[in-house]
Amino acid sequence: QKEVEQDPGPLSVPEGAIVSLNCTYSNSAFQYFMWYRQYSRKGPELLMYTYSSGNKEDGRFTAQVDKSSKYISLFIRDSQPSDSATYLCAMTVIPNAGGTSYGKLTFGQGTILTVHP
Amino acid sequence: KAGVTQTPRYLIKTRGQQVTLSCSPISGHRSVSWYQQTPGQGLQFLFEYFSETQRNKGNFPGRFSGRQFSNSRSEMNVSTLELGDSALYLCASSLDRVPASYEQYFGPGTRLTVT
Repeated sequence: QKEVEQDPGPLSVPEGAIVSLNCTYSNSAFQYFMWYRQYSRKGPELLMYTYSSGNKEDGRFTAQVDKSSKYISLFIRDSQPSDSATYLCAMTVIPNAGGTSYGKLTFGQGTILTVHP
Repeated sequence: KAGVTQTPRYLIKTRGQQVTLSCSPISGHRSVSWYQQTPGQGLQFLFEYFSETQRNKGNFPGRFSGRQFSNSRSEMNVSTLELGDSALYLCASSLDRVPASYEQYFGPGTRLTVT
């Protein structure tokens, strides 16, 4: 079983819809959670970054973390065709002196989203 | 501020050859991580460097190696290339300072094709 599970979709929605993207994880040590957007043939672009449980909002994007359920979500309001991309969740633990976690993000498989006009 | 840059962007190599990929992090970022992205396995962590030292390594064979220079630029090398090494190789940089240290910013990647 993968440490991070993400439904690959594809997900197709009409312009203006609210999009919900989700990931579940099994490692309870994960404390930092990120969402990346990746356009075709480009590198991932950091969208949201949250620590522990709670919500964070940035424009049309809202990230939610529920550590008790090991579940994170990204909501996109008023979706636009330019939001069409692959969305990747990523997470990491606090690096420790033992060096077992420095610089390592664990990613979900990514969800392919298409927003059609 | 300039983003993470990677060179070359595209590369075609033959089985058995070796390849070196280069990454220049965002100015001021001292940590550089490398990832391999394939359709089947997604993004997988290769290794991380900080102050010219490898601090962490993923589960890849010894054919995959890297290094970091005093200006934080990093290179990764793959020796004895196999067909399965065809992938997008991404590097990411971060400040490595709490609480910002865990945000990683990615470059555009180097697409390696092994024939």
